[in-house]
Amino acid sequence: QKEVEQNSGPLSVPEGAIASLNCTYSDRVSQSFFWYRQYSGKSPELIMSIYSNGDKEDGRFTAQLNKASQYVSLLIRDSQPSDSATYLCAVNINAGNNRKLIWGLGTSLAVNP
Amino acid sequence: DGGITQSPKYLFRKEGQNVTLSCEQNLNHDAMYWYRQDPGQGLRLIYYSQIVNDFQKGDIAEGYSVSREKKESFPLTVTSAQKNPTAFYLCASSVTGVTFNEQFFGPGTRLTVL
Repeated sequence: QKEVEQNSGPLSVPEGAIASLNCTYSDRVSQSFFWYRQYSGKSPELIMSIYSNGDKEDGRFTAQLNKASQYVSLLIRDSQPSDSATYLCAVNINAGNNRKLIWGLGTSLAVNP
Repeated sequence: DGGITQSPKYLFRKEGQNVTLSCEQNLNHDAMYWYRQDPGQGLRLIYYSQIVNDFQKGDIAEGYSVSREKKESFPLTVTSAQKNPTAFYLCASSVTGVTFNEQFFGPGTRLTVL
């Protein structure tokens, strides 16, 4: 069974700190990795995608991918109370001609003013 | 504006009734997906479609049915055979590329069985 694992949290950080969210996956041939943010009662919103080893930065967000270790992380710099949400990690798998995402259960982040 | 719409936002169903949830997208995406989300269980794939007139079962297809007669539309029917249908239902769409699969979500439909 291909899996994506995340710490459920809650992860609590003070405003202005760096929040670090981690995700591991089991399928070695996965090539596409995504981070979504989901506010309570709302639908997931794509915030980062990463396809190559290394870092990818977009504003206050940095995604880090290490395919050898099967590990992808999301760093949020200068965390704000508005970043308080559940962060979902998703990994693309190719099952024959069909492609779908495998989802982690999410990490709850609380940014305290 | 391009996007994905779902209707209704809230839906109440009596036991034994079939209900249909609407999902429409104007992003010109080929692929569409239906997920179910329950507290503490994450997103579970119900059905997906990568092209018009074709769709595949996901991990929890029992008690659900779909159709894909138009590229823009992917309605989900929750049948009376679904034992525990109360959940948050999410529709998503994506382009179909070699490696990508960024999925974009609609606002969701919250279904409650009375």
